[in-house]
Amino acid sequence: ELKVEQNPLFLSMQEGKNYTIYCNYSTTSDRLYWYRQDPGKSLESLFVLLSNGAVKQEGRLMASLDTKARLSTLHITAAVHDLSATYFCAVDTNRDDKIIFGKGTRLHILP
Amino acid sequence: GAGVSQSPRYKVTKRGQDVALRCDPISGHVSLYWYRQALGQGPEFLTYFNYEAQQDKSGLPNDRFSAERPEGSISTLTIQRTEQRDSAMYRCASSLLAGRADTQYFGPGTRLTVL
Repeated sequence: ELKVEQNPLFLSMQEGKNYTIYCNYSTTSDRLYWYRQDPGKSLESLFVLLSNGAVKQEGRLMASLDTKARLSTLHITAAVHDLSATYFCAVDTNRDDKIIFGKGTRLHILP
Repeated sequence: GAGVSQSPRYKVTKRGQDVALRCDPISGHVSLYWYRQALGQGPEFLTYFNYEAQQDKSGLPNDRFSAERPEGSISTLTIQRTEQRDSAMYRCASSLLAGRADTQYFGPGTRLTVL
């Protein structure tokens, strides 16, 4: 059974700092998704990573995928308060049609 | 509308009643997904459709849950004989292309409370 683990689950950081959120998964997959969710809101797609070595960047966020290590990272550069949210990674198995989400990383950026 | 819509936004029902949750995807989107999200957790996959065909329903918790998308557009998730453990946020998402590698656009969700 596919398991998706994110760490950390909670992160409080200062504005201007850099940090990385990690997403590990347990079975073969070459499709990984990152979403953002603000409190009380729906999920917003950030990145779709479709191959080993894929790297995508949008503003202060950069996501990468290493399918051999079964690891994706979401890197935050020079954090700003507006990036405070919960970030989810999700993995699409190669074997069946389920998309499995991690538990999310609740990010709080202090002004 | 411009995005995925769901109705009702909130539903309170008594245990044992049936409920029907509606999802209206973005116009022209081929794929439609249903998820359940508990508080503080990530979405849990339930089922998905390409056009009107249900592709995978292995995520449905039991046979009280069913979903349909008869004309390949609007979808309904039905829960029969609701139980308190069914209380959650139910979200749907749609994507333009068939296949899972496309961006999914999520709706606002239906908050279901079973008393």
